[in-house]
Amino acid sequence: DQQVKQNSPSLSVQEGRISILNCDYTNSMFDYFLWYKKYPAEGPTFLISISSIKDKNEDGRFTVFLNKSAKHLSLHIVPSQPGDSAVYFCAASVAGGADGLTFGKGTHLIIQP
Amino acid sequence: DTAVSQTPKYLVTQMGNDKSIKCEQNLGHDTMYWYKQDSKKFLKIMFSYNNKELIINETVPNRFSPKSPDKAHLNLHINSLELGDSAVYFCASSFGQGTVTQYFGPGTRLLVL
Repeated sequence: DQQVKQNSPSLSVQEGRISILNCDYTNSMFDYFLWYKKYPAEGPTFLISISSIKDKNEDGRFTVFLNKSAKHLSLHIVPSQPGDSAVYFCAASVAGGADGLTFGKGTHLIIQP
Repeated sequence: DTAVSQTPKYLVTQMGNDKSIKCEQNLGHDTMYWYKQDSKKFLKIMFSYNNKELIINETVPNRFSPKSPDKAHLNLHINSLELGDSAVYFCASSFGQGTVTQYFGPGTRLLVL
């Protein structure tokens, strides 16, 4: 039973354009959401997060949007750069919970020149 | 000056052996975790641990045991290794639990033959 779903295993975007990665969740107890970026043979690197009290958080080229009613979040990268090619994981957690992060399966983003 | 480090990076061993993976963090965090990324690329929490409590994912076999000599270290001991234990194991750490950002190590690639 996947509580965090990333339905696109891969996404190809041209350099300079916007990349939009999507994530859906089913557990209404989740109230903190994170995006991690992962290169091959490395650990996940924290990218950006959002609390459930917000609907948008921005950090440079990265913006995360949260739609609580739809249980959906998305990561926008603009403009996309070649170094953005990686696997992006969506993750969620529960306030005060000690159960760690629940991850999606990841989306492989490929930035084409 | 690596924030979260793991050793070894690669581990190849025979079925039935006992092995350990070490994790150290120099971020001053009080909570550490072990995650397993299986062949389907799902990252799943195995343990979360701080000074006060150890939370074990109920699906983790008791052949796996975390040991924390101090706040900066959380080692993973695996007894009687099985073929299905082959995976990438990631250590992570954070301040507190719940709605916090976790920082990951580079992973240990375990192959059981």
